[in-house]
Amino acid sequence: GESVGLHLPTLSVQEGDNSIINCAYSNSASDYFIWYKQESGKGPQFIIDIRSNMDKRQGQRVTVLLNKTVKHLSLQIAATQPGDSAVYFCAENIQGDYKLSFGAGTTVTVRA
Amino acid sequence: DAGVIQSPRHEVTEMGQEVTLRCKPISGHDYLFWYRQTMMRGLELLIYFNNNVPIDDSGMPEDRFSAKMPNASFSTLKIQPSEPRDSAVYFCASSWARGETQYFGPGTRLLVL
Repeated sequence: GESVGLHLPTLSVQEGDNSIINCAYSNSASDYFIWYKQESGKGPQFIIDIRSNMDKRQGQRVTVLLNKTVKHLSLQIAATQPGDSAVYFCAENIQGDYKLSFGAGTTVTVRA
Repeated sequence: DAGVIQSPRHEVTEMGQEVTLRCKPISGHDYLFWYRQTMMRGLELLIYFNNNVPIDDSGMPEDRFSAKMPNASFSTLKIQPSEPRDSAVYFCASSWARGETQYFGPGTRLLVL
């Protein structure tokens, strides 16, 4: 039968490999970006953020890259582990706005 | 810091009953947000508060939904009467400043039979 609901992009990664999760944003006025991780049965958790005056920011095993020219954001996870299996959301904020706009999310599955 | 606290974690009720979801934001955070998450629609913003005042409730689906924030450490989301289509996970989030990172609670999983 026909499936309904959001069709989230999926990424299957071998344990130990690096993961790259992509996000396109639509508003050129967005100046603050956040990556969230949501594990099954839990709320979204903050991973890393970046402001529009930066192109790259690194955390522990994670790196966020921002390309404002093509309005693209990516999250790189080094040496992916089983605990990285989750849905990853990007969120953007337009300067001066109260709200964050969330993407649909990418499901990451780590293969042992 | 305990993070954002939500209760109950799970709620099963019958159609027509009143449901009240509760949230305690992170201390010192002036912004509080209520979201609903479903497979069909993803994460939807319902309403948000600044300094206990509702700023934008345009995401509230209909009059059956109401939210209050009587003080800086407590907010409620009420559904009366509840319907099966209200079944979803409801998240509360808080933020220390306008447009900044929002920190989410564990959510309340609501099932309306």
